[in-house]
Amino acid sequence: GESVGLHLPTLSVQEGDNSIINCAYSNSASDYFIWYKQESGKGPQFIIDIRSNMDKRQGQRVTVLLNKTVKHLSLQIAATQPGDSAVYFCAETANSNSGYALNFGKGTSLLVTP
Amino acid sequence: KAGVTQTPRYLIKTRGQQVTLSCSPISGHRSVSWYQQTPGQGLQFLFEYFSETQRNKGNFPGRFSGRQFSNSRSEMNVSTLELGDSALYLCASSLDAHSSYEQYFGPGTRLTVT
Repeated sequence: GESVGLHLPTLSVQEGDNSIINCAYSNSASDYFIWYKQESGKGPQFIIDIRSNMDKRQGQRVTVLLNKTVKHLSLQIAATQPGDSAVYFCAETANSNSGYALNFGKGTSLLVTP
Repeated sequence: KAGVTQTPRYLIKTRGQQVTLSCSPISGHRSVSWYQQTPGQGLQFLFEYFSETQRNKGNFPGRFSGRQFSNSRSEMNVSTLELGDSALYLCASSLDAHSSYEQYFGPGTRLTVT
């Protein structure tokens, strides 16, 4: 069936460097994409979202890029900090106007080293 | 503003028993979604409720059910528990405004089936 997957299960970066977390999706009908951050013992926390009619969206220190041609999503974190260490999930849904039924990727563990 | 609350936080049950989990959304949020999180399968969508009606449903057996009350609080029930039902069950709420699909997750209920 359709699936959302991540290219790398773990990513280690040095404090101050930029981080890039990648995500591939297979459902061509996906029209809404979200990145979540999950710290140990907590529920996922919304980071940034993007609709399929956009290819880039920026937030505070984060940028999401969407390439619909190759069905690829990425999250860029600028000047990565120790507090950014967490598991990051991409999620997508199709027919987002019909409510919430997010399909999550497996997650990438980001470790920020001093 | 209080966040999404889930009770209980931890639960131990025996195979064959049934369990009910509770979720209180953020005040004013009308959409409540439930997800199951396991190390092997990641985050999987169970169902979504809006205005006391199930609006979306994931691919889980009929042993998994839910409901939403008029105050938007939601419960999910799992009957005839199996060992594989051991997981973190997450609830998420949303305002359900078409300008934003941001979901806020609770801390989850850790269910262990022995």
